[in-house]
Amino acid sequence: NAGVTQTPKFQVLKTGQSMTLQCAQDMNHNSMYWYRQDPGMGLRLIYYSASEGTTDKGEVPNGYNVSRLNKREFSLRLESAAPSQTSVYFCASSEGRGNTGELFFGEGSRLTVL
Amino acid sequence: QKEVEQDPGPLSVPEGAIVSLNCTYSNSAFQYFMWYRQYSRKGPELLMYTYSSGNKEDGRFTAQVDKSSKYISLFIRDSQPSDSATYLCAMRPPGNTPLVFGKGTRLSVIA
Repeated sequence: NAGVTQTPKFQVLKTGQSMTLQCAQDMNHNSMYWYRQDPGMGLRLIYYSASEGTTDKGEVPNGYNVSRLNKREFSLRLESAAPSQTSVYFCASSEGRGNTGELFFGEGSRLTVL
Repeated sequence: QKEVEQDPGPLSVPEGAIVSLNCTYSNSAFQYFMWYRQYSRKGPELLMYTYSSGNKEDGRFTAQVDKSSKYISLFIRDSQPSDSATYLCAMRPPGNTPLVFGKGTRLSVIA
């Protein structure tokens, strides 16, 4: 049972380069999320998609774009990477629609911007 | 003031100790309270979930919610080296709104 799968697991970029982080879940969940985790800052929500066809900004959306491609997939794009975007990125999903809100996380994607 | 405050530690205890981890919050609308455990270089996983006030016990773990004080706790009895991880509290109000996380407390249990 794969759960939430993120790719790539590691990536090194130069300032100004672009890239897309991919996320897919196989639990038929309605809601999907992108977080970043930095030392001393905890988990901060970048964007989320409460249901297929909708996306909303979280706490730290600047410099990112998202696409809810279908119910399974939710991608995060960095158009022009900056060193401040060096972080570990986590994708998560939940059943949504009044459920407890329990999140299921992927293993994380470690991004370094030089 | 952030909505959820959690002391980041680190916290180091000897094996067998009782561990107390805590979070305070400011939003009285929060109804769902969770504790996640995150091992190094892994994603967080749900450890305990509590709805509204009260206690919940699962093996060596007990979660407490005191809504009057806006304070939640996680107790670990007979702590083991395998409990060494970062523990994150998380909470949210009713409705399909995202969880709000504390910064996490890093715990080390020394054998």
